[in-house]
Amino acid sequence: KQEVTQIPAALSVPEGENLVLNCSFTDSAIYNLQWFRQDPGKGLTSLLLIQSSQREQTSGRLNASLDKSSGRSTLYIAASQPGDSATYLCAVGGYGQNFVFGPGTRLSVLP
Amino acid sequence: DGGITQSPKYLFRKEGQNVTLSCEQNLNHDAMYWYRQDPGQGLRLIYYSQIVNDFQKGDIAEGYSVSREKKESFPLTVTSAQKNPTAFYLCASSIEQGRNEKLFFGSGTQLSVL
Repeated sequence: KQEVTQIPAALSVPEGENLVLNCSFTDSAIYNLQWFRQDPGKGLTSLLLIQSSQREQTSGRLNASLDKSSGRSTLYIAASQPGDSATYLCAVGGYGQNFVFGPGTRLSVLP
Repeated sequence: DGGITQSPKYLFRKEGQNVTLSCEQNLNHDAMYWYRQDPGQGLRLIYYSQIVNDFQKGDIAEGYSVSREKKESFPLTVTSAQKNPTAFYLCASSIEQGRNEKLFFGSGTQLSVL
């Protein structure tokens, strides 16, 4: 059974810093991986969807990488801003299976 | 604008009562999902539906029921058999289930027990 972990559970950084969020999964036979952002009391917004055949995917200041063999994905945020403060969740998709979600990393970017 | 609408935003349940959470989408998606989110935990799948008049249990279906009579609508009922219903409930949709397409989420319903 796929298990997804995210470390650290919470992270505080000063504005302008580049940062990396981590996502680990136990079964490397994945179809794709999705990163989401969640603001307090709100739903999830999809940030990046990276297919198993891809090594990375970029959108603006965000870059997601995927290393299936090691069971890891990272979300890189460049030049962080206070507006980036939110919880970031990763979800792993297996072949013909529903996504399995990690618990998230709560990010605070301090002005 | 296309999207997913969940209502109500807040809901309170008395002991022994059934309550229904609404989820409507106008994205023309075939697949719809219900997730439960507890503090510090990842989302857990309750039920999902691939097409109208068909749905399957997820990982934590006990104490919940759903229907899919219309493509646009996928209501979730939290029954009195669910002994720990306090959580944040999220509805989602995707073009097709099983192909791991991008998921779109509603804004959620916070359910609390009186």
